Amino acid sequence: EAGVTQFPSHSVIEKGQTVTLRCDPISGHDNLYWYRRVMGKEIKFLLHFVKESKQDESGMPNNRFLAERTGGTYSTLKVQPAELEDSGVYFCASSQAPQGGRTEAFFGQGTRLTVV
Amino acid sequence: AQSVTQPDIHITVSEGASLELRCNYSYGATPYLFWYVQSPGQGLQLLLKYFSGDTLVQGIKGFEAEFKRSQSSFNLRKPSVHWSDAAEYFCAVGAYAAGNKLTFGGGTRVLVKP
Repeated sequence: EAGVTQFPSHSVIEKGQTVTLRCDPISGHDNLYWYRRVMGKEIKFLLHFVKESKQDESGMPNNRFLAERTGGTYSTLKVQPAELEDSGVYFCASSQAPQGGRTEAFFGQGTRLTVV
Repeated sequence: AQSVTQPDIHITVSEGASLELRCNYSYGATPYLFWYVQSPGQGLQLLLKYFSGDTLVQGIKGFEAEFKRSQSSFNLRKPSVHWSDAAEYFCAVGAYAAGNKLTFGGGTRVLVKP
């Protein structure tokens, strides 16, 4: 069974450009999460989808970030326009619907975004 | 608000020696607790998890962790490290009430000396 897949693995863009990151979760996983690790900082939650609905987007930094999950399958995270402080590693994770409240998240390899 | 502290940013250990990584959390109730590892060039891999019950949990690659409610800790241990254990380790907490989103510690980078 394929794990969580993220594209691209690396992206270098200029300030002001647009970048779209993609995440393909494990098949059948209703929950999809985006996280980000900025250099030297902790991994921080960005948002949570349940199927195609945004359950929690409290971690999104600002309105330059737009996440979608059309049809409840793969998800995209668009940054427009990118700023220098957006550089970091973006992780996607997916999990099954909780059983008795419990579930575990499986992570992708991450997308390293560098804004120059 | 949830928070996780990993006091050690770097740890160097000799191959074959024991390893213990510290994790302290702050949460209003008993959260779900996790340890993840990120090897160079890899994603985050789940080592072990604690939901409830036995406070000593076994994970993959010979790791174990012990939940101590009184100390709000969930320390990770391995009796004898291998060179392949060189990686960055992350402690995380989650809760169903928070949609199972994870709050991570800052990570501990482990270097293994031959």
